[in-house]
This record gives sequence, C-alpha cells and structure tokens, in this order.
Amino acid sequence: AQSVTQPDIHITVSEGASLELRCNYSYGATPYLFWYVQSPGQGLQLLLKYFSGDTLVQGIKGFEAEFKRSQSSFNLRKPSVHWSDAAEYFCAVGARGAGSYQLTFGKGTKLSVIP
Amino acid sequence: DADVTQTPRNRITKTGKRIMLECSQTKGHDRMYWYRQDPGLGLRLIYYSFDVKDINKGEISDGYSVSRQAQAKFSLSLESAIPNQTALYFCATSAPGSPQETQYFGPGTRLLVL
Repeated sequence: AQSVTQPDIHITVSEGASLELRCNYSYGATPYLFWYVQSPGQGLQLLLKYFSGDTLVQGIKGFEAEFKRSQSSFNLRKPSVHWSDAAEYFCAVGARGAGSYQLTFGKGTKLSVIP
Repeated sequence: DADVTQTPRNRITKTGKRIMLECSQTKGHDRMYWYRQDPGLGLRLIYYSFDVKDINKGEISDGYSVSRQAQAKFSLSLESAIPNQTALYFCATSAPGSPQETQYFGPGTRLLVL
C-alpha cells in the first residue's frame, strides 16, 4: 500500500518569497503523484500531477513540482508567493494499474503568507 | 456552473439523527467517491462507486452508507449520527480506464453533529 508524508504541518512565508512544500511517498513502483490546494472554505483544486515523462511538472497559479525517484519526493515550489496562495496544500499518491483509483493523501501543509 | 456539486454545504444535526449528503456531477464520470476530512488527518476514503451497480467500502465506512441513484448522483447517509462524525465531507469523481486517472472534488459539506 502507498503512503504519503508531508513533514511540515504549517509554513509561514513573506509575500514575494520563494516557497517549497515537501512531500515524500512510499510506493513499490513509480506512482501517480498529485498536488491539491484547498483555499479557506473551499473544496480541493488540482494544482498539478505527474504520471510519466519530464520529472518537472508545471501547474496552475505558477506552481511547479519535481519528481525525484531517488528521494521518493515530489516537492511543490513557487518562485514568488502571493497573498492569495495562503491555503492548505495536499500531496496525494495514486497506484498504477487496477488500483489507480486509490488516492492516498498526506495530512496537509498549511501555508500562511505575511504581507 | 460547477462540475461537482454537493448539498447541503453546511449542516447541523443532533446525535442519533439520520442525515443524507448529496453529490451530483456533470462531468460524465463513472467513478464517484466520498471522503471525510478531519483537521490534521488529511482526507480519508469512506466509500467509492465504479458505476451504479458497483459500490465498495473504503478505509472508514463504519457508520456510513451510500446510494448510487444514477451515474451522476451519489449520496452518503449517516444512519445514526454521532459527534465524532463531525467533519468536512467531500465528493469526488474520476474517469476510469485512463492511465491518468485524476479525481475532481466538489466544494464540500461541513457537518456538525451535536
């Protein structure tokens, strides 16, 4: 079974600063990987996803993530944070093949942005 | 209009009451899911359905039941609500048979059980 760890429960950054949110996964092969964002009072919005190919994935809102097989990581980055990025971010891993519907979520990282 | 809608958006109920949360989708997806979100625990799968006749238990199905009335509708019921079912509930959908199966989420229903 797959698992996901988001080591940081809460991160605070200044507006305009760079951001990196960490995600480590456990899975026996190359998984499907996702980042979702949940703004206050909102549902989950898909930021980006990795299935194969280029290990650097571009998403919406200026976010990107890099899949590093050797480190079992899929960290989310943004070069310059905006106040509207304050939200909770969830990394998720999906199995390949017959179990591809099974998503396992991390516990989330809450991002606060200081003006 | 939103592709995945949930009703109600907020609900307060009392212990022992039966309640139903509803989910509708216009994405044409066959697969539908119910999750609950608790602070610090992320999302956990309650039930999932691959089509109208295929319903399966997820990680935390005890105390819940579901009904897939049509391809587009998937309801979650709490037969006898208890306070530890207070949570944010999400419905999601996905398209099967693709190597890039992605789940799309509704806006959530916030449930408070007193």
